[in-house]
Amino acid sequence: AQSVAQPEDQVNVAEGNPLTVKCTYSVSGNPYLFWYVQYPNRGLQFLLKYITGDNLVKGSYGFEAEFNKSQTSFHLKKPSALVSDSALYFCAVRPYSGNTPLVFGKGTRLSVIA
Amino acid sequence: EAQVTQNPRYLITVTGKKLTVTCSQNMNHEYMSWYRQDPGLGLRQIYYSMNVEVTDKGDVPEGYKVSRKEKRNFPLILESPSPNQTSLYFCASSPRSLSPNTEAFFGQGTRLTVV
Repeated sequence: AQSVAQPEDQVNVAEGNPLTVKCTYSVSGNPYLFWYVQYPNRGLQFLLKYITGDNLVKGSYGFEAEFNKSQTSFHLKKPSALVSDSALYFCAVRPYSGNTPLVFGKGTRLSVIA
Repeated sequence: EAQVTQNPRYLITVTGKKLTVTCSQNMNHEYMSWYRQDPGLGLRQIYYSMNVEVTDKGDVPEGYKVSRKEKRNFPLILESPSPNQTSLYFCASSPRSLSPNTEAFFGQGTRLTVV
């Protein structure tokens, strides 16, 4: 069965500094990987996904994520954090094969301090 | 505007009183699902539907029912709510249920409190 681990419940970063939100996954076969963001009192919004090809994926709001197959990781990154990036971030995985649902990590709360 | 709409956004109810949370999408998506979000547990899938009249259990289906009589609607039914169903609920939809690389679109959430 597939699973996702987000090892940090909370990440704090100063505005203007680079940020990383970590995600590792476990899935049979090759994965489809996703990042979603949840702002307060809102639903989840899609940020980016990895399907195949280039390991560095660029998404919305200046975010990017790097797929590392050997480390089974898909860390979310941004070169320069904004206060408005403060939110809850979810990593999710689905295997290539079968019609299985998305499996989400527990979420990481990002706090960007001015 | 393409969207997934849930109603109500907030609901406080008493134990045992049947309730329905509605979900509607205007994107002609085949695939719809319900999740609950609890602190420290992330999002867990309750039920999903690959198309009209096709529903299946997710990870935590106990105490919930769903129906998919029309493509756009996927209501979540709690026949006899209990306090452990107090949670934040999200409905999601995506096109073409057999496209694993397709991202899901989420509703704004329903915060349910059962007292």
